[in-house]
Amino acid sequence: DIVMTQSPDSLTVSLGERATINCKTSQSVFYSSNNKTYLAWYQQKPGQPPKMLLYWASTRGSGVPDRFSGSGSGTDFTLTISSLQAEDVAVYHCQQHYSAPYTFGQGTKLEI
Amino acid sequence: QVQLVESGGGVVQPGRSLRLSCAASGFTFSTYAMHWVRQAPGKGLEWVAVISHDGKTTFYPEFLRGRFTVSRDNSKNTLSLQMRGLRVEDTAVYYCAKDGWYMGEGGNFDNWGQGTLVTVSS
Repeated sequence: DIVMTQSPDSLTVSLGERATINCKTSQSVFYSSNNKTYLAWYQQKPGQPPKMLLYWASTRGSGVPDRFSGSGSGTDFTLTISSLQAEDVAVYHCQQHYSAPYTFGQGTKLEI
Repeated sequence: QVQLVESGGGVVQPGRSLRLSCAASGFTFSTYAMHWVRQAPGKGLEWVAVISHDGKTTFYPEFLRGRFTVSRDNSKNTLSLQMRGLRVEDTAVYYCAKDGWYMGEGGNFDNWGQGTLVTVSS
């Protein structure tokens, strides 16, 4: 199974500042056959189900604001929120969708 | 819009069985793989099962095989999860989630239900 490790476990950022969350996979999640990286990010606000933000490492989901971006390659990935808004307070999870069993990171709690 | 509504959760004793359901609407259910994902109280997300769009293929993490069975009824737009031999560590909110790929299995979850809480306790 692919092990996912996020850092930090929690993060405090001021409004309008940049937030960066890291995710490391235990093996590559890149498919050379289609040049795609199978890494997704989710946002989970308190008391709510997760919401998909990004897939293929950097492709935003439907309706996701462009302040959310994803980057990285190989086994190291980053979720960046360019200018933190109050509504971005949440737990963020990375997930590999390269192969089943699909696995998640432990989550990063983002606070203001 | 896509709606996924889980039901069937509750309190159950260790060793007993429980069946969860997920009613889907707002998309062509029979053309997407579906997943179950769970979250223990205060913990992270854990993938539980996938079933292909046509119901012919299922897959589970090794630690669940033999206890959980996922199924679907495309005529009723319904996804199910039969859980047997429940353990205290199965206590979690169980979410059904839609796969992000049309007629395939992308392994990413683009829509989620609100979840149903399963508590395993004596």
